[in-house]
Amino acid sequence: NAGVTQTPKFQVLKTGQSMTLQCAQDMNHEYMSWYRQDPGMGLRLIHYSVGAGITDQGEVPNGYNVSRSTTEDFPLRLLSAAPSQTSVYFCASSAYRGGEQYFGPGTRLTVT
Amino acid sequence: AQKITQTQPGMFVQEKEAVTLDCTYDTSDPSYGLFWYKQPSSGEMIFLIYQGSYDQQNATEGRYSLNFQKARKSANLVISASQLGDSAMYFCAMRSVSGAGSYQLTFGKGTKLSVIP
Repeated sequence: NAGVTQTPKFQVLKTGQSMTLQCAQDMNHEYMSWYRQDPGMGLRLIHYSVGAGITDQGEVPNGYNVSRSTTEDFPLRLLSAAPSQTSVYFCASSAYRGGEQYFGPGTRLTVT
Repeated sequence: AQKITQTQPGMFVQEKEAVTLDCTYDTSDPSYGLFWYKQPSSGEMIFLIYQGSYDQQNATEGRYSLNFQKARKSANLVISASQLGDSAMYFCAMRSVSGAGSYQLTFGKGTKLSVIP
């Protein structure tokens, strides 16, 4: 099993550009989440999904969209990148509500 | 609102000594879970240990143990016999029902542990 995979590992965007961060898991987990990690801030929840077709907002959802068309994939879309979105993004999955979350390796995004 | 507080931005410990990383939490939910994750300099998040709010005994996983004091709302991580490979950021996190993102995790800001040879 590959676990949770994320692509790309690094990305540089110009202000106003859009892009999609990819996340996939092969553990058949129902629950998936996106977090961002900023220096000195810990991880903050952006969006999450409790199953295919079901998504909801977390603590810091503005500027991001998600969809969940399959159990395996949970892409995060930046609609119009801003410098404030410079961060490290982690995708995570868990087998059941409240269970241990398995994290992907992260995507380091820089917006200039 | 759910909140996790880690008051130690950085800690040093001598190799082979034990170290305690502090974590306090705030929630009004009767049912919650507490997690510790390790983040080495390579950046990945590694799950270490879990404690449920109704668990009677403190959780242990190898050299890691969780000192859970429910009345004080604290969930400190104890690492015994520190190794150089333990140098990393350590995050305490809480899962509760009514936080932003039901059943998702709220993280503290982390403690950077440095193990000295």
